[in-house]
Amino acid sequence: DSGVTQTPKHLITATGQRVTLRCSPRSGDLSVYWYQQSLDQGLQFLIQYYNGEERAKGNILERFSAQQFPDLHSELNLSSLELGDSALYFCASSPGGLAGGSEQFFGPGTRLTVL
Amino acid sequence: GENVEQHPSTLSVQEGDSAVIKCTYSDSASNYFPWYKQELGKRPQLIIDIRSNVGEKKDQRIAVTLNKTAKHFSLHITETQPEDSAVYFCAASRSFQKLVFGTGTRLLVSP
Repeated sequence: DSGVTQTPKHLITATGQRVTLRCSPRSGDLSVYWYQQSLDQGLQFLIQYYNGEERAKGNILERFSAQQFPDLHSELNLSSLELGDSALYFCASSPGGLAGGSEQFFGPGTRLTVL
Repeated sequence: GENVEQHPSTLSVQEGDSAVIKCTYSDSASNYFPWYKQELGKRPQLIIDIRSNVGEKKDQRIAVTLNKTAKHFSLHITETQPEDSAVYFCAASRSFQKLVFGTGTRLLVSP
């Protein structure tokens, strides 16, 4: 157990719908990263937050958005879902900043299926 | 852009043999190189990592080597066991930034 939690574990929804994925980082970690894992694209970085602020963006679609709350949990919102959005979505956390290291620990993931 | 190439894509070995997985990165500013093991449907698990100021690191049966000049790093697993069977990902990053992953190596260890 990495200490990173994600809910829900599985999500099945229809095209055009909107879903929210939730992540709670390890205690004390300030950085949260979101990654998407699909069969044809591998593990791709989506977005990073550090202590409530967006720090970096990767290949994140405009239909996707995220935020990190004052208690440091993060949510990834996916809207106007398409079949191609079906994937495993992982959240990872790390201490970040000068106080900690670069190690990223992954949560169990949310498997999204869009029908 | 940043890119990490990983080879081979699949690797089959007999129990007790050694396994080597190689990665090449493109971003010369990368200074952190972790390796993750992922079992089917599970989360990637950090198994070992190395920073750019170190050339080699070992943890029991697992070792990682880094050649900064050539921008290569490798994972070595000795005395492989069936429970080592999984997909292994290398990654590269700058400190406190996103991980850029390789495409993964499926390792199969036969008893």
